Amino acid sequence: QKEVEQNSGPLSVPEGAIASLNCTYSDRGSQSFFWYRQYSGKSPELIMSIYSNGDKEDGRFTAQLNKASQYVSLLIRDSQPSDSATYLCAVNLNNFNKFYFGSGTKLNVKP
Amino acid sequence: KAGVTQTPRYLIKTRGQQVTLSCSPISGHRSVSWYQQTPGQGLQFLFEYFSETQRNKGNFPGRFSGRQFSNSRSEMNVSTLELGDSALYLCASSPLPNTGELFFGEGSRLTVL
Repeated sequence: QKEVEQNSGPLSVPEGAIASLNCTYSDRGSQSFFWYRQYSGKSPELIMSIYSNGDKEDGRFTAQLNKASQYVSLLIRDSQPSDSATYLCAVNLNNFNKFYFGSGTKLNVKP
Repeated sequence: KAGVTQTPRYLIKTRGQQVTLSCSPISGHRSVSWYQQTPGQGLQFLFEYFSETQRNKGNFPGRFSGRQFSNSRSEMNVSTLELGDSALYLCASSPLPNTGELFFGEGSRLTVL
């Protein structure tokens, strides 16, 4: 079993819709959770971090964490074509800078 | 502020050779991590350095090694290259360890023939 699992997609949503990206992780001891966005041919960039159960909102992005169910999700409201990218879920076990990344979900936002 | 700089950006090697990749972190960042990215395996952690000390290592063979210098610049080395080592090698820096925020460079794309 992989430490972090994501549906590879592609996930296609129309412009203006809500995109929902999900991630599950295997280690209950995981401490912190991150979402990175990677455009084709580019390096990953951090868009959200979440450390405690519940929701965290930042602009059009909302990260949700449920430690009991061991899943993390990312909601993108009012999706734009510029949001089209691969979204990587990353999990940190012990707060050192060692992260387990999921394989990523490719998001296509259609105009 | 300059970002994370990786050199070389592209390189082609043959099996059995060795390669050294370089990473200059963002000024002031003292933690440097290395990741391998392949289409099949995704992003996999190689190792992390802070204050010239390797703090964590991923599940890679001993052919993969690294080091960090006093100015926080880091190098990684892969010896006895195999075809399966073809990948994008990404370096990421953080201002401190345990921040959870990685700033990635553009990567070094290695092709092994």
